Amino acid sequence: GNSVTQMEGPVTLSEEAFLTINCTYTATGYPSLFWYVQYPGEGLQLLLKATKADDKGSNKGFEATYRKETTSFHLEKGSVQVSDSAVYFCALPDYGGATNKLIFGTGTLLAVQP
Amino acid sequence: GAGVSQSPSNKVTEKGKDVELRCDPISGHTALYWYRQSLGQGLEFLIYFQGNSAPDKSGLPSDRFSAERTGGSVSTLTIQRTQQEDSAVYLCASSLFPRGEDTIYFGEGSWLTVV
Repeated sequence: GNSVTQMEGPVTLSEEAFLTINCTYTATGYPSLFWYVQYPGEGLQLLLKATKADDKGSNKGFEATYRKETTSFHLEKGSVQVSDSAVYFCALPDYGGATNKLIFGTGTLLAVQP
Repeated sequence: GAGVSQSPSNKVTEKGKDVELRCDPISGHTALYWYRQSLGQGLEFLIYFQGNSAPDKSGLPSDRFSAERTGGSVSTLTIQRTQQEDSAVYLCASSLFPRGEDTIYFGEGSWLTVV
């Protein structure tokens, strides 16, 4: 089945620093790719997604480009804020019969210090 | 509803007791998922429901775990004879259709502690 490997954390940055969280995948075909975020005390929510190769997903200043050549979907932000502190999960669907379940990476904890 | 609703939000139970966790998906969503999130294990898929099709139970860790979805809407995850290793956050999610590009929406989870 499909799988995803995500950069281990924690990642600790100062406010306004540049952020990269690496994500690589193994998949049959070109499935959609997702980044989910979990803020402290909250449930997971979709941050951004890309549905085909070379697409760029973006939201709240975060970006990720679907790169089939390197099978990667790295998350980037040019200037992080304290409010970005959260756990970030890379994900893709795993097709098994009729199931479309999401497979998640292990999550990367981001801590942004003022 | 406006979002995926789960109850209880927190549950502390004694080892050996049965627990039921409830999920109310977004209205009109045909696909419903249960995941488990525990320290050191990341997000673990448990079970998936789609319409009237047979559920995908491939992620259930043991026969103590079961789930049902009534009327294509509300779902209940039941854990029988709970063990300490069952302590985790149980997340329910739903999507409009089970297509690869569809966004899956998560509830805030039910925190289960087995003592």
